[in-house]
Amino acid sequence: GDSVTQMEGPVTLSEEAFLTINCTYTATGYPSLFWYVQYPGEGLQLLLKATKADDKGSNKGFEATYRKETTSFHLEKGSVQVSDSAVYFCALSQRGNNRLAFGKGNQVVVIP
Amino acid sequence: GAVVSQHPSRVICKSGTSVKIECRSLDFQATTMFWYRQFPKQSLMLMATSNEGSKATYEQGVEKDKFLINHASLTLSTLTVTSAHPEDSSFYICSARVGTGLDNEQFFGPGTRLTVL
Repeated sequence: GDSVTQMEGPVTLSEEAFLTINCTYTATGYPSLFWYVQYPGEGLQLLLKATKADDKGSNKGFEATYRKETTSFHLEKGSVQVSDSAVYFCALSQRGNNRLAFGKGNQVVVIP
Repeated sequence: GAVVSQHPSRVICKSGTSVKIECRSLDFQATTMFWYRQFPKQSLMLMATSNEGSKATYEQGVEKDKFLINHASLTLSTLTVTSAHPEDSSFYICSARVGTGLDNEQFFGPGTRLTVL
């Protein structure tokens, strides 16, 4: 079945550093890809999405490009802030199917 | 924006008791709500999908008699964990979808931490 794999372990970095969180997927066809963010004490929020190959999703300085050839959707931000500290989840869904398949999530801690 | 709440945020109960978790869409009508379960350091796993006024659709391996889902109105869905046991301890998260389009965004609640002693 469809699955999403995120890099292991929390990510700790200094303010203004470059952030990359890797995400790869296994799926049939052409799924839609998502990044969700969960701030402490809050529900998951959609951060960005891409619905077809080579699409780039972007929001709040974060970007991710749908790479079908490498089945990847890596999340990047050029200069992180303390307020970006959160858990980030990569997810996919098949078109016309409301079921989301999530990765394990990555805790990001940004130190002042 | 679309807000989804869950109540309670944390619950501790004794083994054998039943626990009800509420999921509410506060500023929109949700024709479809979803229930997820998350183990520590694991993915969110979809448990069931519920449409207002009809029976929930459970994912493979989820016991429907164990996890009772009721979606009685367009703003409220409840998950009841019946005869809870320590292995049911987990983080339960609901989400709600706006409108009827299958590709419409899901909005998530903050989750409920269940601990069964």
